[in-house]
Amino acid sequence: QVQLVQSGAEVKKPGSSVKVSCKTSGGTFNTYGIYWVRQAPGQGLEWMGGVIPIFDTTHYAQKFQGRVSISTDESTSTAYMELSSLRYDDTAVYYCARVRPRYCSGGTCSEYFYYGMDVWGQGTTVTVAS
Amino acid sequence: SYVLTQASSVSVAPGTTATITCGGDKIGSKSVHWYQQKPGQAPVQVIYYDSERPSGIPERFSGSNSGNTATLTISRVEAGDEADYYCQVWDSSSLHYVFGTGTKVTVL
Repeated sequence: QVQLVQSGAEVKKPGSSVKVSCKTSGGTFNTYGIYWVRQAPGQGLEWMGGVIPIFDTTHYAQKFQGRVSISTDESTSTAYMELSSLRYDDTAVYYCARVRPRYCSGGTCSEYFYYGMDVWGQGTTVTVAS
Repeated sequence: SYVLTQASSVSVAPGTTATITCGGDKIGSKSVHWYQQKPGQAPVQVIYYDSERPSGIPERFSGSNSGNTATLTISRVEAGDEADYYCQVWDSSSLHYVFGTGTKVTVL
């Protein structure tokens, strides 16, 4: 049973950065994709970006290009999302979610977007306040 | 960029059927996933690849996708189904995930 456990709530000042972690347990970390989604108060889900470690590939939403960095530490099965130049409207709950491949064989995997985001972290509240 | 449109709210009586639509240009050519989110909780996937149910999701949840509309259907609605529902696709042209605007299902 794969679980994603995120780091605790953060309060940050405008202009600073925040780094949220997502530790996975169960399964084979480097074959997953870990994607990040945020939800501002009273708003919908917003995709930010993600990483597929086995291919060393990252995807970033155009809205966050240049402000977000997603990375992994395979030794601890942990993914990180760092958002810089924080603004008041970055106040939100940030979620990580797993995307798994449909097939893996011979050391490679494919069809990462067949299953969607099947396991989610519990969310991390980031508050930007002066 | 690719846009997915959902009705903001749907109200249904217990025991009846809720139909939640997700509109997008040629969405029938994409794989659609659906998520349920209750207040204060993380989203839970209820449908993947248009119509497949993850383990543990009741058979009352079903999905379809054709043309410019994907549909999530909840049969025999229960009070516990009251939640926000989001559709999602992977847009391979922009390499972006896209979420729909979300539909709030209220059980009367």
